[in-house]
Amino acid sequence: GQQLNQSPQSMFIQEGEDVSMNCTSSSIFNTWLWYKQDPGEGPVLLIALYKAGELTSNGRLTAQFGITRKDSFLNISASIPSDVGIYFCAGQGSWGGSQGNLIFGKGTKLSVKP
Amino acid sequence: NAGVTQTPKFRVLKTGQSMTLLCAQDMNHEYMYWYRQDPGMGLRLIHYSVGEGTTAKGEVPDGYNVSRLKKQNFLLGLESAAPSQTSVYFCASSYLAPGADTQYFGPGTRLTVL
Repeated sequence: GQQLNQSPQSMFIQEGEDVSMNCTSSSIFNTWLWYKQDPGEGPVLLIALYKAGELTSNGRLTAQFGITRKDSFLNISASIPSDVGIYFCAGQGSWGGSQGNLIFGKGTKLSVKP
Repeated sequence: NAGVTQTPKFRVLKTGQSMTLLCAQDMNHEYMYWYRQDPGMGLRLIHYSVGEGTTAKGEVPDGYNVSRLKKQNFLLGLESAAPSQTSVYFCASSYLAPGADTQYFGPGTRLTVL
């Protein structure tokens, strides 16, 4: 089945630093999504990408849909304490049927540097 | 507009017991989903529904049953709970098919099977 490799698994941030994470797949996806999950909450959509090569921003967040359709990255600029949480990428394959369901990466956990 | 709600929030079961998790959405969404999330893992799709009266299997359907008798509700049943079903369960809904529309997630149900 389709699998997503998300990296890094975890990282520590200091306020003001830029953060970068990415997802790769062995399969082609038609859509890439990036979610954030806070403790005790469900995931919340941050950015949706629908076209290969697309670069989309949402405030301090920027995400890109890779040209090969097998990867995506998320950048957070000038991080702030409320950026901590777990970030998930999700991909969607072919339209319709079970292939149209979302496949999630295992997440990147952002924590504050002690 | 409450969005997606889940009941209960927490539950502890003994092996072999049965229970039903309720998901409700007030956004008139056609599509509803049940996911499970295990430590260090992304979300995995259990079952989903593309409309009232329809259900379909996701990635990990074994040991679960679902029903969508009303458009706004999606029930997840465990007939004979097993320790391997200890997890956090998330319900989600969307107006359009995955990838074409945002999935809105509920706050989750934390289930422990002893």
